[in-house]
Amino acid sequence: IQLTQSPSSLSASVGDRVTITCRASQGIGNYLVWYQQKPGKAPKLLTHVASTLQSGVPSRFSGSGSGTDFTLTISSLQPEDFATYYCQQLNSYPLTFGGGTKVEIK
Amino acid sequence: EVQLVESGGGLIQPGGSLRLSCAASGFTVSSDYMNWVRQAPGKGLEWVSTIYSSGSTYYADSVKGRFTISRDNSKNTLYLHMNSLRAEDTAVYYCARGNLGCDYWGQGTLVTVSS
Repeated sequence: IQLTQSPSSLSASVGDRVTITCRASQGIGNYLVWYQQKPGKAPKLLTHVASTLQSGVPSRFSGSGSGTDFTLTISSLQPEDFATYYCQQLNSYPLTFGGGTKVEIK
Repeated sequence: EVQLVESGGGLIQPGGSLRLSCAASGFTVSSDYMNWVRQAPGKGLEWVSTIYSSGSTYYADSVKGRFTISRDNSKNTLYLHMNSLRAEDTAVYYCARGNLGCDYWGQGTLVTVSS
């Protein structure tokens, strides 16, 4: 199953609403998760399946979607949110990641 | 506190073998789903392998037949045995826990395949 993330990069300002899209090549139900990764660090789980927010993740992050189309939304971008974001499908093996979306400071 | 600490990375010649280790604390490796994920320099994340608590294993096509995931319950440690290494296997290798999303990750260990 291929996952296509868009955009591959974006520039935004603190306080902006940011939306990242992940499209699956076939239906995956709600078996999609989102990660945040900062340079030189391991990924951090933001949402697990069914778009449930991981414990400790700020409520400005939200995930939605099912089937083939999914979104990660950051309602009000904060300085610590500048990072690369990845989606991953857990519906079937081989598990796959999207290509990533780099969120940069405008 | 849950912790994962990888070791075993390094410089290896093409065709060589390496064993990565992931020492876990704060939970029992044999009771959870464990994964290896890698990231080539400047590239995105790539899932490598998963082992279930039942012992079932799964592999990416790119490593099937060359890599083996295993665990030592007495040491609470996860392993990745890597054979016939290629230049394209060069990456930071992370171990991670979880089956509905990986909630804990190690710091990663760098494997460089080069002559």
